Amino acid sequence: DGGITQSPKYLFRKEGQNVTLSCEQNLNHDAMYWYRQDPGQGLRLIYYSQIVNDFQKGDIAEGYSVSREKKESFPLTVTSAQKNPTAFYLCASSIVPGNTEAFFGQGTRLTVV
Amino acid sequence: QKEVEQNSGPLSVPEGAIASLNCTYSDRGSQSFFWYRQYSGKSPELIMFIYSNGDKEDGRFTAQLNKASQYVSLLIRDSQPSDSATYLCAVNIPHSGAGSYQLTFGKGTKLSVIP
Repeated sequence: DGGITQSPKYLFRKEGQNVTLSCEQNLNHDAMYWYRQDPGQGLRLIYYSQIVNDFQKGDIAEGYSVSREKKESFPLTVTSAQKNPTAFYLCASSIVPGNTEAFFGQGTRLTVV
Repeated sequence: QKEVEQNSGPLSVPEGAIASLNCTYSDRGSQSFFWYRQYSGKSPELIMFIYSNGDKEDGRFTAQLNKASQYVSLLIRDSQPSDSATYLCAVNIPHSGAGSYQLTFGKGTKLSVIP
């Protein structure tokens, strides 16, 4: 089955630690995105990538880093510099960047303890 | 600032009625528009997309786009309790760089369909 897989579904992190969220897609999509969602809020764009080895900052990139070494993979690292990392993280992909619909993975819920 | 605006709701409609959800956007360069449905604790799922002015129908859903007014809406006919969810409007807004677009979401409208 084609789709977007995020792992893990739930993640707990101690303050001061870096943590990496996984996102893999087998849809052969060029573009991939990371969003953050806080309770009662919409989705805010962290980073996006339109092609392998290239990515752009979104609206809230501070405290996050990404890489796009393979078309299928777009991992997100939440660093210790992110002041309030507890949130629901969503990865998405689209066939081409721009005017095509994006499809989402099931999300990772990160909690800082 | 490039924005997508939605009424947060909640919007309550009786079962069988028409639910009307609205969205405005700030960047006239936007070219594609999407409606997603999100159940509590789940990821968004695509319902409709629309690129051209006018109406687009898919089953009980109709998306309406008016680029001159920078307005996009979603109508849900014969609303069912299973339609109760948060509806997110998303717009592809031109970003820095030629041909670069940022998929930007509104905060969503919570819909409750009352049996």
